[in-house]
Amino acid sequence: SQQGEEDPQALSIQEGENATMNCSYKTSINNLQWYRQNSGRGLVHLILIRSNEREKHSGRLRVTLDTSKKSSSLLITASRAADTASYFCATDRAGGGADGLTFGKGTHLIIQP
Amino acid sequence: NAGVMQNPRHLVRRRGQEARLRCSPMKGHSHVYWYRQLPEEGLKFMVYLQKENIIDESGMPKERFSAEFPKEGPSILRIQQVVRGDSAAYFCASSPRASEQYFGPGTRLTVT
Repeated sequence: SQQGEEDPQALSIQEGENATMNCSYKTSINNLQWYRQNSGRGLVHLILIRSNEREKHSGRLRVTLDTSKKSSSLLITASRAADTASYFCATDRAGGGADGLTFGKGTHLIIQP
Repeated sequence: NAGVMQNPRHLVRRRGQEARLRCSPMKGHSHVYWYRQLPEEGLKFMVYLQKENIIDESGMPKERFSAEFPKEGPSILRIQQVVRGDSAAYFCASSPRASEQYFGPGTRLTVT
């Protein structure tokens, strides 16, 4: 699998339910970031989690990081129609300084009203 | 503080023409990155620049593509002699340091 690969590729849930997306990566990292992209738009930064952190919260978002499994999850609680978007995880490289990020193909999330 | 600016938002070029994409980073940001996104794909890193220097161009095609970030003015991604396969969304991101990157709205290039 690619560095920063999301799972599932697509997810459709009812408004109000929780949505969980997973991301796996291959190499050691400094940080892992999650971004949201609405159709035809740019990326919006959601949250950054450092390699020495295990969990981080921001509003309705909860991100976990398991460096032993090289995986991360993004949980969106109490989903809303406006959460419909594609979600990408992005990783840097440990020791890489300010390198470019490696993105997965994304999870397309659809919230049914 | 305005976000990352990119222009044009949409660009149509015929095969063989040149495409110039511009990116103005957020104020105070000295790191600029260019990414390309094909339909239904994630972003692919192309090049990382700081003022007047290319730091990492490992994701840039070897031919026809070039990037610069001059001392004054925006960063430019230049594609010479465009082909249909160059059609994509090109995103620029900026960062003040080795941390989260802030993305512009992208330039959608269509080659006819």
